[in-house]
Amino acid sequence: GDSVTQMEGPVTLSEEAFLTINCTYTATGYPSLFWYVQYPGEGLQLLLKATKADDKGSNKGFEATYRKETTSFHLEKGSVQVSDSAVYFCALRRHGGSQGNLIFGKGTKLSVKP
Amino acid sequence: DVKVTQSSRYLVKRTGEKVFLECVQDMDHENMFWYRQDPGLGLRLIYFSYDVKMKQKGDIPEGYSVSREKKERFSLILESASTNQTSMYLCASSTAQGKAFFGQGTRLTVV
Repeated sequence: GDSVTQMEGPVTLSEEAFLTINCTYTATGYPSLFWYVQYPGEGLQLLLKATKADDKGSNKGFEATYRKETTSFHLEKGSVQVSDSAVYFCALRRHGGSQGNLIFGKGTKLSVKP
Repeated sequence: DVKVTQSSRYLVKRTGEKVFLECVQDMDHENMFWYRQDPGLGLRLIYFSYDVKMKQKGDIPEGYSVSREKKERFSLILESASTNQTSMYLCASSTAQGKAFFGQGTRLTVV
């Protein structure tokens, strides 16, 4: 079945460091791909998305490129801030009718130290 | 501002009780979801619904049922609560394109 695998955390970085959180997926067809973020004590919220191969999603300095050849959607940010500390979830959505549910990875906890 | 509202932030229930978790969305979304979130396991889909009165099992439906009588409301039911159902429960609704909006979560403790 469809699945999402993301790197295990926790990830601890110093402020202004470069961030990469790896995400790979297994899916039939052409899913849409998402990154969600969960700040402490809150629900998940959409960070960015890409709906087809070679699309790049970006938001708040974060970027991820839909790579069909490597079935990957790695999250990157050039310079992290303390306020980026959160849990990050990679997700995919199959297309069409009753198959349209979202499948999430296990989440990667990021801690950014000042 | 779009909103998904879960009826309780914290619940404590006894083993064997029937538990109802309510979720309401105000965005006219057709898709609604219930997940549980556990340390080291991420989000696991319990049930989802793609239309009123329609439901589909997710990855871990055992011990749970759902009800979608109205488009805006999706209820999760624990028929007979057990301690292994102690968890954080997250409700979400999504657009047809897959953008999901989550509630704040309900932390359920079964004692």
